[in-house]
Amino acid sequence: TQLLEQSPQFLSIQEGENLTVYCNSSSVFSSLQWYRQEPGEGPVLLVTVVTGGEVKKLKRLTFQFGDARKDSSLHITAAQPGDTGLYLCASNAGGTSYGKLTFGQGTILTVHP
Amino acid sequence: NAGVTQTPKFQVLKTGQSMTLQCAQDMNHNSMYWYRQDPGMGLRLIYYSASEGTTDKGEVPNGYNVSRLNKREFSLRLESAAPSQTSVYFCASSDGASGNTIYFGEGSWLTVV
Repeated sequence: TQLLEQSPQFLSIQEGENLTVYCNSSSVFSSLQWYRQEPGEGPVLLVTVVTGGEVKKLKRLTFQFGDARKDSSLHITAAQPGDTGLYLCASNAGGTSYGKLTFGQGTILTVHP
Repeated sequence: NAGVTQTPKFQVLKTGQSMTLQCAQDMNHNSMYWYRQDPGMGLRLIYYSASEGTTDKGEVPNGYNVSRLNKREFSLRLESAAPSQTSVYFCASSDGASGNTIYFGEGSWLTVV
C-alpha cells in the first residue's frame, strides 16, 4: 500500500494570506486527487492530476503534480473563511475501481476573518 | 439529487452488539466502497465492490462483512462491535464512465462503548 504524507497537519491563517499544502510519497503516483471535506460531510473531489509536471487551477486554488509524480501541492491564494476545512490528497489503484483510494492524513485549514 | 445515501447517521453500540450500516446510490454506478475515517489517519478502505455480485477486502477489513445487495445497495455489517471500531464510516461510489470522480455519502458516526 502506497503511503502518502501530508504536511502541514494543521494550518491556521488570516483571511487574505496565501498557503501551500504538500503531499509526498516514496513511490510514484499513478494519479493523484485532492479532496476537501467540511464538518459533517463526506470528501468532495477538487481535482485529479495525472501527468508529471501538470498544473491545474480552480479559481484561487492551484494544484501541481511533481515531474517525477511522487509529490503534489495545493496552493491557495488570498484565502477566505469559506476555504476552511480538511484537505486530503489521495492516490488510486487505477484499473476499473477508481475508488480504491489511499489517503494522506489530511491538513486541517482554518482561515480567520 | 440524492447521490450516495447512508443510514443511520449516528449510532451508539455496546461492545459485542451487531449492526448494519446501509448505503444506496442512485447514479447507476458499478463500484461501491466503504471507508472509515479516524483522527489523524485520513480515510482507510474497508471493503469494496467493483461490480454487482463481487466484493473484496480493502486495507482494514477485520471485524467487518459486506453485502452487495444489488447495483444500488452496499451494506457494511459489524458482527461483534469493539471500541476500536468507533469511527466515522463513509460509503462511496464510482463508475468508469464518469472518469475518476468518486462520490461520498455524508458519513455515519458510530460509537462503541
